[in-house]
Amino acid sequence: SQKIEQNSEALNIQEGKTATLTCNYTNYSPAYLQWYRQDPGRGPVFLLLIRENEKEKRKERLKVTFDTTLKQSLFHITASQPADSATYLCALDFSGGSYIPTFGRGTSLIVHP
Amino acid sequence: DGGITQSPKYLFRKEGQNVTLSCEQNLNHDAMYWYRQDPGQGLRLIYYSQIVNDFQKGDIAEGYSVSREKKESFPLTVTSAQKNPTAFYLCASTTGEGNSNQPQHFGDGTRLSIL
Repeated sequence: SQKIEQNSEALNIQEGKTATLTCNYTNYSPAYLQWYRQDPGRGPVFLLLIRENEKEKRKERLKVTFDTTLKQSLFHITASQPADSATYLCALDFSGGSYIPTFGRGTSLIVHP
Repeated sequence: DGGITQSPKYLFRKEGQNVTLSCEQNLNHDAMYWYRQDPGQGLRLIYYSQIVNDFQKGDIAEGYSVSREKKESFPLTVTSAQKNPTAFYLCASTTGEGNSNQPQHFGDGTRLSIL
């Protein structure tokens, strides 16, 4: 079965540094990968989508890479701020076009002032 | 503004009781989903519906039921058969059109606890 792995340990960084979060998956590569942000007690909010034929995607301070050889996506937040502190989830669609993403358990990011 | 509304925010269930969680969207989305989130775990799919009057079981459907009588509404009933219902329940929707791989829009969840 498909498996998504995100680091269960929280990532602690200083304000202004670049945060890098990892999403690894097993078996065959999905057509696309999404990243979401989730704050405590709230629903996830969509951030970025990257397709299998795209190596990199950027949006403001966010950057996502997708390496189908390594079966890995990296999510970067540059010039991080305390307001970036949240849990970040990656999601992949293994359903073959039925739009049913499988979510990782997320990694908590804590940005210290 | 368009969005997804879940209610109530907190819900308590007694032994042997069925409870229903509401999910309403005004995004004109075709597809709707219910997920369960437990501490330290990812979102697990309970049920999904890609069109009115049709829905499919997800990975953990046992002890739950849904209906999709209207495009805007996708209520989830947690039945007494669900022995471990304490969790954070999230409803989501997406356009699901073509192969556009649209993102999911989420509500702010309902936290269900057992009395």
